[in-house]
Amino acid sequence: GAVVSQHPSWVICKSGTSVKIECRSLDFQATTMFWYRQFPKQSLMLMATSNEGSKATYEQGVEKDKFLINHASLTLSTLTVTSAHPEDSSFYICSASLTGGPSATQYFGPGTRLTVL
Amino acid sequence: AQSVTQPDIHITVSEGASLELRCNYSYGATPYLFWYVQSPGQGLQLLLKYFSGDTLVQGIKGFEAEFKRSQSSFNLRKPSVHWSDAAEYFCAVGAGGNTGKLIFGQGTTLQVKP
Repeated sequence: GAVVSQHPSWVICKSGTSVKIECRSLDFQATTMFWYRQFPKQSLMLMATSNEGSKATYEQGVEKDKFLINHASLTLSTLTVTSAHPEDSSFYICSASLTGGPSATQYFGPGTRLTVL
Repeated sequence: AQSVTQPDIHITVSEGASLELRCNYSYGATPYLFWYVQSPGQGLQLLLKYFSGDTLVQGIKGFEAEFKRSQSSFNLRKPSVHWSDAAEYFCAVGAGGNTGKLIFGQGTTLQVKP
């Protein structure tokens, strides 16, 4: 149980194009979803927190106009990287929690490798 | 502000040997602490978590961790490592409030020698 999927698993795009990444909780309804960015050999950096039906809360320093997050339902959140540039190349990971609050376990997707040429 | 430090970037142990991965946190109140493992091609998997109560926490795959408030530590241990334990291990602390946000340490890469 508690499986989270991401699609696509990897994507290559040209500079200036937009890329959408989907995050789905397959067997549970997620109260909250989180988006992280991970650079090679580094930790996960939280980008934003989203709750179904409301606007995402972005972490300081994350451009909300570049990284558009939509949490359309309790099982789907999308991250759109707009006008992508090579510096946006990274590993993007989503997670979902069944319940809210500080003790909730986050279930992670396998990640999406984005390469911008 | 909350923070997590994993002092060891890379650890190599022999199969069958014991393992301890270190984690130190900075948090004003009683922390919510987690250990996750990341294997290539797979999402992070929760090994164990601590909120309160018994300071020795048992997790999956034979892992355990001990919360030591006096040392601000939450070290992960396993008595006998298997080759399949080779992976990236992350310690995390709850960021506070009611958001459920996590702050992750830098991670420790575990290599297992045959």
